[in-house]
Amino acid sequence: EAGVAQSPRYKIIEKRQSVAFWCNPISGHATLYWYQQILGQGPKLLIQFQNNGVVDDSQLPKDRFSAERLKGVDSTLKIQPAKLEDSAVYLCASSLVAAYNEQFFGPGTRLTVL
Amino acid sequence: AQRVTQPEKLLSVFKGAPVELKCNYSYSGSPELFWYVQYSRQRLQLLLRHISRESIKGFTADLNKGETSFHLKKPFAQEEDSAMYYCALRYTGNQFYFGTGTSLTVIP
Repeated sequence: EAGVAQSPRYKIIEKRQSVAFWCNPISGHATLYWYQQILGQGPKLLIQFQNNGVVDDSQLPKDRFSAERLKGVDSTLKIQPAKLEDSAVYLCASSLVAAYNEQFFGPGTRLTVL
Repeated sequence: AQRVTQPEKLLSVFKGAPVELKCNYSYSGSPELFWYVQYSRQRLQLLLRHISRESIKGFTADLNKGETSFHLKKPFAQEEDSAMYYCALRYTGNQFYFGTGTSLTVIP
């Protein structure tokens, strides 16, 4: 079974630039999560989709972050403009339907903002 | 507010010694707790969840509502147990809150 795919794996940008991350969940998984993991901290949930609808985005900095999941499959997370404190690993995870089901994580995208 | 606390950032034990990774939570509702593990150069993955009451790779964790704890235990540590361990809490639907993690090193 193919796992959760993410791209790019690494990205270096300058502050005030824009960046986008892509996630392809496991086929058939209705729930998709984006997490931000700053060095030395645990993953922090940014946004959760159920199919193509948003379940929770309470911790998403909406002035600069946006995410979409068109057609309920792939998802993109965008930062515009980036700040130094956005440097982190961005993790995508998916699960079958509800969080009772195991979350499967992607390899993450490591973002460095200079 | 819901919280997960892992008081130890680093933990070292000798091979064959017992290991306990601590996790305390704060949540007014009915908690659902998980342990996730990340081995070197691998993805974050589920180790076990409290509702399953299972033992995975020799690890067990019991939910203690009185002490609001969900400590991860293994009677005899192995070198391959060296990894980063995260305690996670599911709350109000399907949102997750992860602790800051404990890096376990098993010394040969």
